[in-house]
Amino acid sequence: NAGVMQNPRHLVRRRGQEARLRCSPMKGHSHVYWYRQLPEEGLKFMVYLQKENIIDESGMPKERFSAEFPKEGPSILRIQQVVRGDSAAYFCASSPTLRGQGASPYEQYFGPGTRLTVT
Amino acid sequence: GEDVEQSLFLSVREGDSSVINCTYTDSSSTYLYWYKQEPGAGLQLLTYIFSNMDMKQDQRLTVLLNKKDKHLSLRIADTQTGDSAIYFCAESLSGYSTLTFGKGTMLLVSP
Repeated sequence: NAGVMQNPRHLVRRRGQEARLRCSPMKGHSHVYWYRQLPEEGLKFMVYLQKENIIDESGMPKERFSAEFPKEGPSILRIQQVVRGDSAAYFCASSPTLRGQGASPYEQYFGPGTRLTVT
Repeated sequence: GEDVEQSLFLSVREGDSSVINCTYTDSSSTYLYWYKQEPGAGLQLLTYIFSNMDMKQDQRLTVLLNKKDKHLSLRIADTQTGDSAIYFCAESLSGYSTLTFGKGTMLLVSP
């Protein structure tokens, strides 16, 4: 059972370009969370999604950032017109449904992260 | 509001016990977690505890929860050099709630 997959692992963008970060949750997991980690900081929650629904986006900046988790395919975190302050590690986590197999729904499993550098 | 505080750094010798401490402010927290992050890697879930428990033990790891003082600790017995990493404490209000993390404690284990 593969873990949470994120790609790319490293992404370099110039100011003003778009960044697209992908996350494939663990098999059987229907809850996806995105977190951002600034240098020497803890992780900050951004958005929580289930398939085709945004459940909580209270941690997401109002402008330039968007997230989706379509019925098919990975979850996407999209950052438009990137600025230097967007440089960070972006982590995705997934957790199973109550009726899913495997671990408890209280456990969030993290991917390896995408390290975004804006030049 | 939610806030999680941790000491930033801990240094121990191999074979000693390590104790990493964490305080949180939200008394509604129902789940408390410990994650480990090695350099350049994602977060690995080590263990978690429900707020109605005082203690949880898992091999070399012991978690103690003092709900009255909102204090959580992680004890690593017989610490090894491979335990060197950043340890994050996190809280959530429910199983599906988002996690609020501390800034992490860097544990350095010297031979």
